[in-house]
Amino acid sequence: EDQVTQSPEALRLQEGESSSLNCSYTVSGLRGLFWYRQDPGKGPEFLFTLYSAGEEKEKERLKATLTKKESFLHITAPKPEDSATYLCAVQADRWDFGNEKLTFGTGTRLTIIP
Amino acid sequence: NAGVTQTPKFQVLKTGQSMTLQCAQDMNHEYMSWYRQDPGMGLRLIHYSVGAGITDQGEVPNGYNVSRSTTEDFPLRLLSAAPSQTSVYFCASSPGTPRGYTFGSGTRLTVV
Repeated sequence: EDQVTQSPEALRLQEGESSSLNCSYTVSGLRGLFWYRQDPGKGPEFLFTLYSAGEEKEKERLKATLTKKESFLHITAPKPEDSATYLCAVQADRWDFGNEKLTFGTGTRLTIIP
Repeated sequence: NAGVTQTPKFQVLKTGQSMTLQCAQDMNHEYMSWYRQDPGMGLRLIHYSVGAGITDQGEVPNGYNVSRSTTEDFPLRLLSAAPSQTSVYFCASSPGTPRGYTFGSGTRLTVV
C-alpha cells in the first residue's frame, strides 16, 4: 500500500526566514512525486513533478528535491503570500490503469508572518 | 479556458437523499478523478477514469457511483446520503504524467 507522510503538520515562519517541508513516501515503484499548494476554500494547485532521486525543480522561492525515500520543499525568504497548505502526492508505477492514481499526504500548513 | 468546473459549490442534503455532483473540463484531458477531503485525512480517491467509458474504484468508493460518457464530463452520484459523506469533494483532470492533475474549486457537502 502506498503511503505518504508529511511533516511538520504546521509551520509558522517570519517573513524572510527560510525552511523546509518534508514528504516521506513508501511506494512499490515511483512513477512521479507531486507537490501542490492549496489555499483555504480552494482546490489544490499543481507546483512540481519529480521522477527520480537527485532531481530538483524550482519555481520562484520554492525548490523541490527528491531522494529514494523522501522529498523536500525548500522555501527561501518566504513572503506572506506563500502562506498556504502544501500537499505531497505519489503516483505508483503499475502495469494497469491504477498508475494514474495519486496518494496524498495530509499536508503542511505554512504561515508566513509579516 | 475554464479548466475544471464543479457544481454546486455548496449543498446540504438530508440523510437518505440522492444527488449528483457535476464536473466538467474543457482541456480534453483523458484522466479524471474524484477526491474527498476531510480534516486530518488528506485527499482520498473515490473513483477515477482513464477515458470515456472506462472507470474504476479508488480508496473510498462505497456509497458513490460514477460514469464517463464523454471526455468532458465526470459526474459523481451519491446514492443514499449519509452523515459520513459530509466532506469537501474535488474533481480533477490530467492529460497524463508528467503534467499533474488540475483540480476544481470543490463542492462542500453537508449531510444532516
